[in-house]
Amino acid sequence: AQSVAQPEDQVNVAEGNPLTVKCTYSVSGNPYLFWYVQYPNRGLQFLLKYITGDNLVKGSYGFEAEFNKSQTSFHLKKPSALVSDSALYFCAVRDSGTYKYIFGTGTRLKVLA
Amino acid sequence: KAGVTQTPRYLIKTRGQQVTLSCSPISGHRSVSWYQQTPGQGLQFLFEYFSETQRNKGNFPGRFSGRQFSNSRSEMNVSTLELGDSALYLCASSLATGTNTGELFFGEGSRLTVL
Repeated sequence: AQSVAQPEDQVNVAEGNPLTVKCTYSVSGNPYLFWYVQYPNRGLQFLLKYITGDNLVKGSYGFEAEFNKSQTSFHLKKPSALVSDSALYFCAVRDSGTYKYIFGTGTRLKVLA
Repeated sequence: KAGVTQTPRYLIKTRGQQVTLSCSPISGHRSVSWYQQTPGQGLQFLFEYFSETQRNKGNFPGRFSGRQFSNSRSEMNVSTLELGDSALYLCASSLATGTNTGELFFGEGSRLTVL
């Protein structure tokens, strides 16, 4: 069965420091991987996706993610965090056969000024 | 291009009542998915409709149902409401056809409070 794990409920980082939000996955076949962000009382917004190609994927708002097939990971990164990046982040995998998306439990990012 | 529109944004019901939520997808998107989000359970998949047919279903009781119309608009219904149904209900649309690997586009959600 396909699954996604976000091992950290919350990540704290100081403004200006690099940030990493972790995600590991388990799929059969090629993974379609996504990151979404949710601000308070809003829906989820797409950040980036990995389908194929370069292992480093660049997305919106300066975020990027690194796909690592051997470690089955897709960690979200940003070189310099902003207070405005504070939000809830979800990793997701899409089943290539059923088109069903499976979301992780979410990681709350807090960027401290 | 208009985004995903969900109505109503907020509603309050009492136990035992039923509720219908509406979702208008992005023009051209034929797939509509519904999710329930609660602080304790995170984001839970309810069901997905594609071209008026339910294509995927999550693990929710039969009180939760949905449908999709020919114009791709979708509704979900919850009957005999329970306190635990209080949640943010999110709708998402996507192209999701063939080899398309498009992402989901979410609405702002409908926040249901059951008293």
